[in-house]
Amino acid sequence: DIQMTQSPSSLSASVGDRVTITCQASQDISNYLNWYQQKPGKAPKLLIYDASNLETGVPSRFSGSGSGTDFTFTISSLQPEDIATYYCQQYDNLPPWTFGQGTKVEIK
Amino acid sequence: QVQLVESGGGLVKPGGSLRLSCAASGFTFSDYYMSWIRQAPGKGLEWVSYISSSGSTIYYADSVKGRFTISRDNAKNSLYLQMNSLRAEDTAVYYCAKESMDVWGQGTTVTVSS
Repeated sequence: DIQMTQSPSSLSASVGDRVTITCQASQDISNYLNWYQQKPGKAPKLLIYDASNLETGVPSRFSGSGSGTDFTFTISSLQPEDIATYYCQQYDNLPPWTFGQGTKVEIK
Repeated sequence: QVQLVESGGGLVKPGGSLRLSCAASGFTFSDYYMSWIRQAPGKGLEWVSYISSSGSTIYYADSVKGRFTISRDNAKNSLYLQMNSLRAEDTAVYYCAKESMDVWGQGTTVTVSS
């Protein structure tokens, strides 16, 4: 099975800061990667699909990049409403599909 | 609007069974593959099972293989997860999600405890 290593597990940043989260796949997954935001008590929300495509309605301060095994998720200017846990997830070929361990983003 | 609504969660004893349902609306359910994903308390997300649009192709995570059965009724726009031989480690919020996971339900909570 493909393993996804996400880092950091948590981070604290100030409003307006640039925030970066990385995700590394244990093998080449091309661009078959999603990024999700999950707020406490809520279902995950898809933000980025195919590694770099912004889901409809998602603010442009969110972005994704990468291909192969190394991926990056960026919030260009952190806002108070961005406090959440973020997950990457690979969907290369057939299941099993796997998620990263999550990154909890807090305001400093 | 596109919506998924899970139901059927609850408290069950170890070794017991439970059947989860996911009602879909706002899209042509029979055109899309579906998945179940779960999240144990305070933990990350775990993909559980996949079913193709016709129901002919199914996959399971190793952690549930042989105990859980995914199915769907396209006439009823519904997805199911039959969970047997439940263990404490199956305690989680269970979500259904549409194909590329762009739509998730609100989740239903399963607690396995004596």
